[in-house]
Amino acid sequence: GDSVTQMEGPVTLSEEAFLTINCTYTATGYPSLFWYVQYPGEGLQLLLKATKADDKGSNKGFEATYRKETTSFHLEKGSVQVSDSAVYFCALAPGTASKLTFGTGTRLQVTL
Amino acid sequence: NAGVTQTPKFQVLKTGQSMTLQCAQDMNHEYMSWYRQDPGMGLRLIHYSVGAGITDQGEVPNGYNVSRSTTEDFPLRLLSAAPSQTSVYFCASSYDRGRGAEQYFGPGTRLTVT
Repeated sequence: GDSVTQMEGPVTLSEEAFLTINCTYTATGYPSLFWYVQYPGEGLQLLLKATKADDKGSNKGFEATYRKETTSFHLEKGSVQVSDSAVYFCALAPGTASKLTFGTGTRLQVTL
Repeated sequence: NAGVTQTPKFQVLKTGQSMTLQCAQDMNHEYMSWYRQDPGMGLRLIHYSVGAGITDQGEVPNGYNVSRSTTEDFPLRLLSAAPSQTSVYFCASSYDRGRGAEQYFGPGTRLTVT
């Protein structure tokens, strides 16, 4: 079945550092790929997405590129802020379906 | 719009008790789903619905029932709670119009079964 693997956390960075959170997936066909973010005490909200190979999703300075050849969707940000501290989830949805398969989540802590 | 709302925010049950977690959305979304979030396991799909009157099982459906009598509401029922159902439960909805549809999540219900 479909699965998503993302790097273990927590990830602790100083403000303005470069962020990479790795995500790889296993799926049949051509899934859509997502990054969701969960701030403390809240539900998840969509950060960015990509629906086909070589698409780049971007939002709030975060980027991720859909790499079919390496089945990856790594999340990057050039300069993190304390307000980016949250748990980040990589997820996929098969074809045109809405059912999401999530990774285990990566907690990011940004310090001054 | 209120978006996706869930009640209650917190609940403590004894083993064997029953309860219903409520979920409602005011965005006229056809697709709704329930997930549970456990440490180190991400979110796992319990049940989902593609429209009123239509429901289906997700990855971890055992011990849970759902129904969808209206577009707006999608309650999750625990018939006989077990400690293994201690978790944070999230309801989500989306318009489900093709690839990449965004899901909107509620704030969650934290359930403890003793």
